[in-house]
Amino acid sequence: EIVLTQSPGTLSLSPGERATLSCRASQSVSSNYLAWYQQKPGQAPSLFIYGASTRATGIPDRFSGSGSGTDFTLTISRLEPEDFAVYYCQQYGSSPFTFGPGTKVDIK
Amino acid sequence: EVQLLESGGGLVQPGGSLRLSCAASGFTFSTFAMTWVRQGPGKGLEWVSTFSGSGGTTYYAESVKGRFTISRDNSKNTLYLQMNSLRAEDTAIYYCAKAWGPGTSVRYAFDIWGQGTLVTVSS
Repeated sequence: EIVLTQSPGTLSLSPGERATLSCRASQSVSSNYLAWYQQKPGQAPSLFIYGASTRATGIPDRFSGSGSGTDFTLTISRLEPEDFAVYYCQQYGSSPFTFGPGTKVDIK
Repeated sequence: EVQLLESGGGLVQPGGSLRLSCAASGFTFSTFAMTWVRQGPGKGLEWVSTFSGSGGTTYYAESVKGRFTISRDNSKNTLYLQMNSLRAEDTAIYYCAKAWGPGTSVRYAFDIWGQGTLVTVSS
């Protein structure tokens, strides 16, 4: 089983600042089958990034994903008020299709 | 509009059973892999099970293997999760989710999610 570790657990930033979220896998994620999801309180998750770096439909370009193998990053270039949420990474290259524990981005 | 609507959640005693349903609309249901993901109270996301599209292959998390069964009725555009021998730790919101790409592969992220259905296992 591929274990995903996300850091930091919580990121406290102000609107307009840059956010850098990390996702590290216990073993290589095949073909960069790595996704990022955003979840707001009381809502279902939403797909933001798949294939490690491809934005899902309708996701603004201030969101970017990078990385390969075992180290992946989600970057939000300038935080907007609606970006404060929990972000989960997930690998879907091999079953079980595990999620990381999440990074909460909250308002400083 | 692509939509997923879960139902069937509720309160059940430990050791009991429950069947969840996920009604899909707005896409060719039979050609997409479908997945159940759960989220315990105040916790993160946990992948539960996936049913491939156009192939019939199923996958399960170790925590539910042998107790849960995923199935689908393509004629009714509906995904199911039969949950037996329920435990307190199965208490969660259960989401169904659609793979973003069609075909027999399950190697797709989940682009559409339902609103979830709450399962509470308690005496």
